[in-house]
Amino acid sequence: DQQVKQNSPSLSVQEGRISILNCDYTNSMFDYFLWYKKYPAEGPTFLISISSIKDKNEDGRFTVFLNKSAKHLSLHIVPSQPGDSAVYFCAASVGGSNYKLTFGKGTLLTVNP
Amino acid sequence: DVKVTQSSRYLVKRTGEKVFLECVQDMDHENMFWYRQDPGLGLRLIYFSYDVKMKEKGDIPEGYSVSREKKERFSLILESASTNQTSMYLCASSLARNAGYTFGSGTRLTVV
Repeated sequence: DQQVKQNSPSLSVQEGRISILNCDYTNSMFDYFLWYKKYPAEGPTFLISISSIKDKNEDGRFTVFLNKSAKHLSLHIVPSQPGDSAVYFCAASVGGSNYKLTFGKGTLLTVNP
Repeated sequence: DVKVTQSSRYLVKRTGEKVFLECVQDMDHENMFWYRQDPGLGLRLIYFSYDVKMKEKGDIPEGYSVSREKKERFSLILESASTNQTSMYLCASSLARNAGYTFGSGTRLTVV
């Protein structure tokens, strides 16, 4: 049972445009959400996170939006750059002392010059 | 910056061998994790540990065990390697939920 779903395996955008990566979850107990970026042959790197008490978190070119009623979150990258080309993983966790993250399958973003 | 070091980038082992994957972190993090990444399956949690000598099963613990004798080191053990354990193995550590995980660079294990 996949609790965190990234339904788009890949996304291609032009440099300078907006990239929108989507993530859906089924477990209503999740209360913390994170995005990771992964280049080939490297470990994932933490990008941005959001708590369920917020609906938006922004960090430079990256913004994460959370819609709890729809159990949906999205990552917006504006403007997109070729260096953003990577696999993006959405992850979620349940509150309390449990730091276990459940990851989605990832979306490969390609930003074309 | 926190550094998570995995001892090997690439490993080739034979079916039936006992395999040790080592992970060391240098920032006194309490929480450590082992994931495997496979195409089309994303990252799946094998085992995790919240403290020395403590371990908990993740989503796919079968065929694996772990050891955490010291806070900075978390070892993943494949008791008898099989070809379906060919994968990218990622170790991570974390201090607090708001900081997210710090991952190592990964070990690509091939079992032949």
